[in-house]
Amino acid sequence: QKEVEQNSGPLSVPEGAIASLNCTYSDRGSQSFFWYRQYSGKSPELIMFIYSNGDKEDGRFTAQLNKASQYVSLLIRDSQPSDSATYLCAVTPLTSFKLTFGKGTLLTVNP
Amino acid sequence: GAVVSQHPSRVICKSGTSVKIECRSLDFQATTMFWYRQFPKQSLMLMATSNEGSKATYEQGVEKDKFLINHASLTLSTLTVTSAHPEDSSFYICSASIGTGSNQPQHFGDGTRLSIL
Repeated sequence: QKEVEQNSGPLSVPEGAIASLNCTYSDRGSQSFFWYRQYSGKSPELIMFIYSNGDKEDGRFTAQLNKASQYVSLLIRDSQPSDSATYLCAVTPLTSFKLTFGKGTLLTVNP
Repeated sequence: GAVVSQHPSRVICKSGTSVKIECRSLDFQATTMFWYRQFPKQSLMLMATSNEGSKATYEQGVEKDKFLINHASLTLSTLTVTSAHPEDSSFYICSASIGTGSNQPQHFGDGTRLSIL
């Protein structure tokens, strides 16, 4: 069973702080890693994707990947109340388009 | 801007009705689209992979005769929930990738909230 695990939260941070979201995966063959944001009642929206070990930065967001530890994270700097949402981690293996999603972490940014 | 358009956004209908949901890729051709279902407070579960010009591939436990998928063109896939019942009430979401390769991100439509009375 290929699994993606996330802490369901809720994770609560004050406005302006750094929010750290974590994800682990069981399939060592996983090659592509995605972070999606989902507001309540809406469909997922792509935030970032990462394929190689290390960090990838895009604005206030930084994705970190450690394939040896089977761990991927998302850091949100200068968190805003509008960042409050469920963050979904998703992975795909090399030979498939299929995304396997974690259950998501609910983030609340308090003004 | 949106790259995947899904319609309708919400359906409320009586038990036994068949419901068709459309998923369109905007300004790009999608040989593969995906259909997901999401129950309240749960994550997205892949139902099937829609392949242009061929039969869809269904995930284990998903009834292909219940959830009919047609991908007749490179920009349109449809999901028909046949003879829907209350237990089929859920949030149905389609996705597509721009370009080929498993490393291409999937972009999601806005979803269809289906409520069967």
